[in-house]
Amino acid sequence: GQSLEQPSEVTAVEGAIVQINCTYQTSGFYGLSWYQQHDGGAPTFLSYNALDGLEETGRFSSFLSRSDSYGYLLLQELQMKDSASYFCASYTGGFKTIFGAGTRLFVKA
Amino acid sequence: ETGVTQTPRHLVMGMTNKKSLKCEQHLGHNAMYWYKQSAKKPLELMFVYNFKEQTENNSVPSRFSPECPNSSHLFLHLHTLQPEDSALYLCASSHQGGTSGRPEAKNIQYFGAGTRLSVL
Repeated sequence: GQSLEQPSEVTAVEGAIVQINCTYQTSGFYGLSWYQQHDGGAPTFLSYNALDGLEETGRFSSFLSRSDSYGYLLLQELQMKDSASYFCASYTGGFKTIFGAGTRLFVKA
Repeated sequence: ETGVTQTPRHLVMGMTNKKSLKCEQHLGHNAMYWYKQSAKKPLELMFVYNFKEQTENNSVPSRFSPECPNSSHLFLHLHTLQPEDSALYLCASSHQGGTSGRPEAKNIQYFGAGTRLSVL
């Protein structure tokens, strides 16, 4: 089957760095996306990796290793507003994107 | 504001009711999607429309009936639902999917805030 595995919950302290891992097993793979969803809000696109390596966008970075079917989202200088759910998603071509179940991030003061 | 608006935000219905969910996108996208989001589960793709044509029906029960009158509007008609259909229903839109090197090949999707549906 097609699946993406990510931890269900992560807790970190304000100002710290946190890494959310994602392993994927999908038939057809073009790239890995990350989305953020606050409670009651819409999932919003954060980043996309098509090639191996690190992509940096401000405090957020995303990494992909195609040979390991693995990626992660790195959040630096955590802020309280970063408390949300984070989803990894595998783009498999056409209009098909397979999502993980999400990682709930709790940022503590 | 994501450019994708869903109404209503909350809906409670009985199993014999008929209701409709509405989605509107103001982004000029040609593809629109319906997803079901249940607690602690991956988003489940239900339907995809590209230029008003349905391109994906992910084995969704017939009690869910989509309608796409144009590229900006998407509806999900509901009838004789079951309690297990209670969930958050998300609409999304994107540029045409593809595998070229163009930005839209990433299939970045823009989501609405969803309709929280409770079936009693």
